[in-house]
Amino acid sequence: NAGVTQTPKFRVLKTGQSMTLLCAQDMNHEYMYWYRQDPGMGLRLIHYSVGEGTTAKGEVPDGYNVSRLKKQNFLLGLESAAPSQTSVYFCASTPRQAMMYEQYFGPGTRLTVT
Amino acid sequence: SQQGEEDPQALSIQEGENATMNCSYKTSINNLQWYRQNSGRGLVHLILIRSNEREKHSGRLRVTLDTSKKSSSLLITASRAADTASYFCATDLGGSYIPTFGRGTSLIVHP
Repeated sequence: NAGVTQTPKFRVLKTGQSMTLLCAQDMNHEYMYWYRQDPGMGLRLIHYSVGEGTTAKGEVPDGYNVSRLKKQNFLLGLESAAPSQTSVYFCASTPRQAMMYEQYFGPGTRLTVT
Repeated sequence: SQQGEEDPQALSIQEGENATMNCSYKTSINNLQWYRQNSGRGLVHLILIRSNEREKHSGRLRVTLDTSKKSSSLLITASRAADTASYFCATDLGGSYIPTFGRGTSLIVHP
């Protein structure tokens, strides 16, 4: 089992460019989450999905879009990157509701927007 | 807004000492979880404690929950240098099952 994997591990974007971060899990989990982690801010939830074909907004969704076309994959898109989106992005998954089960986290994607 | 807030922000101790960190939250919760994050890595789950539980143990970890004070504590006994990491509590806003994390406690254990 690979658990939760994230692609890419690092990326540098110029302001205005777009990109997609891929999260994949092989545990057949229903719920998946995207977080961003900034220094001194802890983790903040961007978007989450409670199952294939569903997505919902978290605490800081502006500037991001997501898709869950397959149960095992959760994509996070930045349509027009801004320096404020420089952060470390983590994906996580749980069998069902997060607070009923432990979350399994990926290793993170470090994104720099210049 | 962040539901849980850890205290202290940073903690530095010697190997063998105990480390205690606290988490306070604002609204009712279903469960509370503690996670560890080593530098440059993803978070790893440590313990889940349900709102009707008061204390849980896992190896050298002891977690307490006081719902009347809206607070939880994580105690690491006989700390080791390998315990050096950031520790986060996660709660759900108003029992929503949507997880929110605090800013974390950075623990350094000196060998």
